[in-house]
Amino acid sequence: ETAVFQTPNYHVTQVGNEVSFNCKQTLGHDTMYWYKQDSKKLLKIMFSYNNKQLIVNETVPRRFSPQSSDKAHLNLRIKSVEPEDSAVYLCASSYWGFSYEQYFGPGTRLTVL
Amino acid sequence: GQQVQQSPSSLVLQEGENAELQCNFSSTATQLQWFYQSPGGSLVSLLSNPSGTKHTGRLTSTTVTKERRSSLHISSSQTTDSGTYLCAIDRGTGSNRLTFGKGTKFSLIP
Repeated sequence: ETAVFQTPNYHVTQVGNEVSFNCKQTLGHDTMYWYKQDSKKLLKIMFSYNNKQLIVNETVPRRFSPQSSDKAHLNLRIKSVEPEDSAVYLCASSYWGFSYEQYFGPGTRLTVL
Repeated sequence: GQQVQQSPSSLVLQEGENAELQCNFSSTATQLQWFYQSPGGSLVSLLSNPSGTKHTGRLTSTTVTKERRSSLHISSSQTTDSGTYLCAIDRGTGSNRLTFGKGTKFSLIP
C-alpha cells in the first residue's frame, strides 16, 4: 500500500517531557513536511525537508526538530513540550516542484497536560 | 493579513443541492490544492488546480490565476460530502510550503 503513515495516533504527556512522532511515506516522494493544526483547525507549515535541505518556518519554536534517516522517513521531535503544543501534527509528502500535489498522513494528536 | 481566505466559513445545504466554495488569495500562487478534511480529521487531496478548470467526479474547480481566486463546485451533494474543505496555495517561494485557508465547514441535511 502506498501512502503516508504516522505513529502514534494519539499521545498524552506532561509539560517538560520529550516526545517523538514518526512519519513514513511509501509514495516514492523526495520531499516531506510537518504541519501543525491548532484547536481552531488552522493548518500551518513547520518544516519541509528535501535532499538534505531543511526549510524551517521561522515561527516554529526551537524545541521542535525534524529527524530524517532517508527520504521516506521524517520524524518530529519536541524536546520539552509546552501546553501550547497541544495540537494535531500532520505529516505530508510530495515530489519537489511547484506543481506537485501533497499527500497527508492521518495525523498525531498531542495533548499536553 | 490572511493570505488565503475562504468563503463561506460554513455552508448548510439539503442533500442533492449544488455547493459553491470560494478561495481568494493575496499573493502569487504557483500551486493550488483543494483538500477535504473529514469530521474524524483525515486530510485528503481533492484537486490540484493552479489554473484553469478541472473535473473529478462531482467536483469541478475553476482557478483564475490573475484574479487570485479559485472555486470548488460540488454537484448533487451527498451526506458523505459533509466535512471541511480547505484551500491551500504554494506562494512560489521555492520552498514547496502550502499556506492554508481556514476552510469551509460543509453540512448536509438529509
